[in-house]
Amino acid sequence: ELKVEQNPLFLSMQEGKNYTIYCNYSTTSDRLYWYRQDPGKSLESLFVLLSNGAVKQEGRLMASLDTKARLSTLHITAAVHDLSATYFCAVDWGNTPLVFGKGTRLSVIA
Amino acid sequence: DSGVTQTPKHLITATGQRVTLRCSPRSGDLSVYWYQQSLDQGLQFLIQYYNGEERAKGNILERFSAQQFPDLHSELNLSSLELGDSALYFCASSVAGGGLSTDTQYFGPGTRLTVL
Repeated sequence: ELKVEQNPLFLSMQEGKNYTIYCNYSTTSDRLYWYRQDPGKSLESLFVLLSNGAVKQEGRLMASLDTKARLSTLHITAAVHDLSATYFCAVDWGNTPLVFGKGTRLSVIA
Repeated sequence: DSGVTQTPKHLITATGQRVTLRCSPRSGDLSVYWYQQSLDQGLQFLIQYYNGEERAKGNILERFSAQQFPDLHSELNLSSLELGDSALYFCASSVAGGGLSTDTQYFGPGTRLTVL
């Protein structure tokens, strides 16, 4: 079965701190996506990771992919309130639809 | 703005009724995907169309159906509605249909369905 697991599911962090969200998946894939969703809003594409060792950075967010470990991480550096949102990873196994994780609800507090 | 449009934004209806949700993909995108998002079930893939043909089916109930028209817009029909069908329904589009290509899905703003 194709499964994607994110942890933690809920994360409350202080402004200025660093943290990492983990995305594990069940079977080998070298294509993984990260999305952001603000409450009641749509999903916004953040990163596309297409190969083992891929690393992408945008502002305070950095995503990486380790296909051997079947693991992607989303690292948050010096969190600010504007990063509060739900973050989803989704894995592409080719001829099947994307499988999304349950999402990590991030709350950044002062 | 992703370029994917969905109408209506909000829909309130009663149990047993039938509704139609509409989605227009980004210009040039051939694939349309429908998702249901509820608090308890998370983001659930329903169905995908590629250039007018059904490509993949997920957890779509028999009471639900969809189609993609020649102009590539898509409609999701929900019938015999139940309270549990209340959710956010997203449409997404991508250039291709998955498979060998790298194919980011771009999501529309969603339709919030409330069944009373």
